[in-house]
Amino acid sequence: DQQVKQNSPSLSVQEGRISILNCDYTNSMFDYFLWYKKYPAEGPTFLISISSIKDKNEDGRFTVFLNKSAKHLSLHIVPSQPGDSAVYFCAASAGNNYGQNFVFGPGTRLSVLP
Amino acid sequence: EADIYQTPRYLVIGTGKKITLECSQTMGHDKMYWYQQDPGMELHLIHYSYGVNSTEKGDLSSESTVSRIRTEHFPLTLESARPSHTSQYLCASSEQLAGGIGTNTDTQYFGPGTRLTVL
Repeated sequence: DQQVKQNSPSLSVQEGRISILNCDYTNSMFDYFLWYKKYPAEGPTFLISISSIKDKNEDGRFTVFLNKSAKHLSLHIVPSQPGDSAVYFCAASAGNNYGQNFVFGPGTRLSVLP
Repeated sequence: EADIYQTPRYLVIGTGKKITLECSQTMGHDKMYWYQQDPGMELHLIHYSYGVNSTEKGDLSSESTVSRIRTEHFPLTLESARPSHTSQYLCASSEQLAGGIGTNTDTQYFGPGTRLTVL
């Protein structure tokens, strides 16, 4: 059973508009969440993260929102640019113990149309 | 930009061959990982290491093996490749910063990946 879910396999947005990518998780022990962006034939690139002690983290055009009670997080990209077209992965980890690893969602393919 | 490298980037081989996928990082990170990813699917952790001489199996069963003799190097070996091993293999490293609950700031940095095709 998937612990990290990204229920939208793909999303298309017009350039300049807002892109909202969603992620749901089932493990209530997860306390740290990251978003990665992946272009074809490249490895994932870290984008932004959020700790469970926060409900929002912002970095330039990217904002991540965390709703712990709903076990839901979202990534907002404003304004969207054609270069944002990529696959976006949500990842989660539990605790700060050295042995904890990350669990990745299946990804959402974002297409930003010019 | 992350300093983590994987070679080869692409590999096409026949069934039964032994192969080693190389991964090196120059960031001095203790933790290293190998993931396997099929198109449109999530990344599956197949191996990880806490440091030199430490290796552990990940969530997804894999017929591959790894070694960690040096901090910067984490190669993955398939003794006898099969078509079912066709996939993309991603190496990553991280340096976890200790803290209290909710202050985890570990970030994984990924290499460019190796796309393996076994005929």
